[in-house]
Amino acid sequence: GENVEQHPSTLSVQEGDSAVIKCTYSDSASNYFPWYKQELGKRPQLIIDIRSNVGEKKDQRIAVTLNKTAKHFSLHITETQPEDSAVYFCAASEAGGSYIPTFGRGTSLIVHP
Amino acid sequence: DAGITQSPRHKVTETGTPVTLRCHQTENHRYMYWYRQDPGHGLRLIHYSYGVKDTDKGEVSDGYSVSRSKTEDFLLTLESATSSQTSVYFCAIKLQTGFGYTFGSGTRLTVV
Repeated sequence: GENVEQHPSTLSVQEGDSAVIKCTYSDSASNYFPWYKQELGKRPQLIIDIRSNVGEKKDQRIAVTLNKTAKHFSLHITETQPEDSAVYFCAASEAGGSYIPTFGRGTSLIVHP
Repeated sequence: DAGITQSPRHKVTETGTPVTLRCHQTENHRYMYWYRQDPGHGLRLIHYSYGVKDTDKGEVSDGYSVSRSKTEDFLLTLESATSSQTSVYFCAIKLQTGFGYTFGSGTRLTVV
């Protein structure tokens, strides 16, 4: 089965800095890679995703890059703000069938004002 | 909110008692999922359903059972609650577009 490793487990940055969270996956059949943000006490929410036919995707201050050959993908947040503080989860799955992703263990991002 | 609700939001129960958590969706989705979230473990799949009366196990299914008698409802039952089942439980359905999930608000379960 799929195995997703996520690093770092905790990331502390100053407001305005960039933050990068990295994930690796093991199953070459995986072709869908979402990222979820979970604020304290709230539900995880999808913030960005990427399919394997794309190398990079951006949405305002966040971007995701994918390296299929190396089986890793990363979340990039630029100009971080205190409201970016949350736990971020990566996941990998096949896009189709039962749609079951394997999640990473999460990264706690702390943005200091 | 987002067409998926969970009940109850919080529950405290005693060891050895049965507990049922409910997930209700208004999106008419075929697939529904139950996850548990624990510090350091992320989100782990307990059971999922791919249609009425069609369910399958996830990676942490021991001690749990599920039922889906209607498209909109997916029930998770802890047959005899243990302290190791103290956790936050999330139900999820697939988003209307794409392949990501939308999650319910979660149920915080404490087994004492």
